[in-house]
Amino acid sequence: EMQLLESGGGLVQPGGSLRLSCTASGFRFNMFAMKWVRQAPGKGLEWVSGIGGSGRDTYYADSVKGRFTISRDNAKNTLSLEMNNLRDDDAAVYYCAKTMNTVIYYGMDVWGRGTTVTVSS
Amino acid sequence: QSVLTQPRSVSGAPGQRVTISCTGSRSAIAAAYDVHWYQHRPGAAPRLVIFGNDNRPSGVPDRFSGSRSGTSASLVITGLQAEDEADYYCQSYDIRLGGSGVFGTGTKVTV
Repeated sequence: EMQLLESGGGLVQPGGSLRLSCTASGFRFNMFAMKWVRQAPGKGLEWVSGIGGSGRDTYYADSVKGRFTISRDNAKNTLSLEMNNLRDDDAAVYYCAKTMNTVIYYGMDVWGRGTTVTVSS
Repeated sequence: QSVLTQPRSVSGAPGQRVTISCTGSRSAIAAAYDVHWYQHRPGAAPRLVIFGNDNRPSGVPDRFSGSRSGTSASLVITGLQAEDEADYYCQSYDIRLGGSGVFGTGTKVTV
């Protein structure tokens, strides 16, 4: 069974940093692009960042560009999101999602349960 | 601000048909990228219900169907069931965003 498990969420002060991780199992991790998607309280889904299967190609939403860094370790089946200079509007449930292809433009067919990031002083 | 606009809500009685539209601004959907649809129930992970404009993943009931025409896409649910009550989002990519993805504004389906 294909599974994704996020971790690393928590409470952080504005301006602080946090690193989210996503551990994959049940599929050949390096064959598929991966993404982070978030949902702020009372808001809709927001595409945050994506990375190709090789890790070479990365993409970011304008709202996080320059502050967040996506990466992957294909040897450890792990996806990461380094978040710096966090703002109030970064508070959300962050989901890790698997894409149906090695490039990012395909649908996301496997999702984790999410990890919650709270930004507050 | 999303470049994909959806109606805020749609509703229908059990057994009825509902249609959710997804309209791209700035020709976001006119680019050569497919549209995908997700179902999101409160407290659960999102679920892919349509990929590549009109394809259903394994395990998704055939009462879900998708289509695309020019800069718009649609998700149709026929034979509406109570379990279909959820938020639905279209999703695609806009080359003018550097290849980054974008979700629609979301539609609440009430049964």
